[in-house]
Amino acid sequence: EAGVAQSPRYKIIEKRQSVAFWCNPISGHATLYWYQQILGQGPKLLIQFQNNGVVDDSQLPKDRFSAERLKGVDSTLKIQPAKLEDSAVYLCASSPLVGNTIYFGEGSWLTVV
Amino acid sequence: EDQVTQSPEALRLQEGESSSLNCSYTVSGLRGLFWYRQDPGKGPEFLFTLYSAGEEKEKERLKATLTKKESFLHITAPKPEDSATYLCAVLGASYDKVIFGPGTSLSVIP
Repeated sequence: EAGVAQSPRYKIIEKRQSVAFWCNPISGHATLYWYQQILGQGPKLLIQFQNNGVVDDSQLPKDRFSAERLKGVDSTLKIQPAKLEDSAVYLCASSPLVGNTIYFGEGSWLTVV
Repeated sequence: EDQVTQSPEALRLQEGESSSLNCSYTVSGLRGLFWYRQDPGKGPEFLFTLYSAGEEKEKERLKATLTKKESFLHITAPKPEDSATYLCAVLGASYDKVIFGPGTSLSVIP
């Protein structure tokens, strides 16, 4: 079974530029998550989708971050404009349903300079 | 608000030296507690799910246990390949979201 796919793996941008990350969850998984992980910390939930509806986005900085999940499958997370403090790993994950085990992708590493 | 803390922050063990990692949580109604392993440059890898106090799960040299306020990850006779960051996460009854702790960085020295 294929795992969660993410791209790009690495991205370096200058502050105030924009960046987009793509995620393809495990086939059949209804719930998709985007987590932000700053070096040395645990993952922090940014947004959670159930199919193509948003379940929780309370910690998403909506003035600069946006996310969508088209047709309840793939998802894109966008940051515009980026700040230095956005340097982190952006982890996409999926689960069959809320409350089931969450499976993570390898992450997209963002460095803002 | 649901909270998860982990201790110690970092742990160095000699190969074969058994120890335990702690995960303390505050949630209103635990629906599940998860343990993950994360290697440098990789996403977290699922290890265990525990649902109720008294439950235990084992996998190779790892055993996870759960009480009403905390969980322990016991590592028996660790090997260098067990070196990683171990993350604990909880799902409470109030919110449909999984909250992660800060992790424990484990180093096993040959």
